[in-house]
Amino acid sequence: EPEVTQTPSHQVTQMGQEVILRCVPISNHLYFYWYRQILGQKVEFLVSFYNNEISEKSEIFDDQFSVERPDGSNFTLKIRSTKLEDSAMYFCASKQGLDEKLFFGSGTQLSVL
Amino acid sequence: GESVGLHLPTLSVQEGDNSIINCAYSNSASDYFIWYKQESGKGPQFIIDIRSNMDKRQGQRVTVLLNKTVKHLSLQIAATQPGDSAVYFCAEKWGKSGGGADGLTFGKGTHLIIQP
Repeated sequence: EPEVTQTPSHQVTQMGQEVILRCVPISNHLYFYWYRQILGQKVEFLVSFYNNEISEKSEIFDDQFSVERPDGSNFTLKIRSTKLEDSAMYFCASKQGLDEKLFFGSGTQLSVL
Repeated sequence: GESVGLHLPTLSVQEGDNSIINCAYSNSASDYFIWYKQESGKGPQFIIDIRSNMDKRQGQRVTVLLNKTVKHLSLQIAATQPGDSAVYFCAEKWGKSGGGADGLTFGKGTHLIIQP
């Protein structure tokens, strides 16, 4: 069964550093998302991306965050200057169409020291 | 603010018994609801969904019930197995745009424990 893949599985970085989290959505999907989950808390929506532009973003997704689909297969989340509170599991997700179900990757655990 | 939440943080059931996980939502405009299962160290896994024009939907060993009058969603798992042990989240669609690239609002989750 096709799946959303994320790399790396675990990223450790120093506060203030830039990180890029990478995702390969399912190949025929058109809608892409980033979510995050702070340890022990609920999954939170960050941003949705469709037709090569951001469709929606939450309050969490401030100017330090950006997303990009640099080619036909990758979807990245960049955090420009990481803060301690950015430490979380970041999930990429994708879906094929408007009313299709959402598939999640296994996540990247980001640890900011 | 509007949110989706769950009634119980932990639910323990005997293997083979049926389990019911509940969820209350507050956004009356939500029109799509999903249950996800999350095992330790993994991403949320889709279980079943339901649209607001339905009040019941069945899958394999799972049933989702939607009561729009009281804004309540439940997930019933029949004949629970050890592999059902996980955290279960309900989620609702809150999208502001009409394009379908909408985000989901998740509840906090219920940890389902299956006892042998």
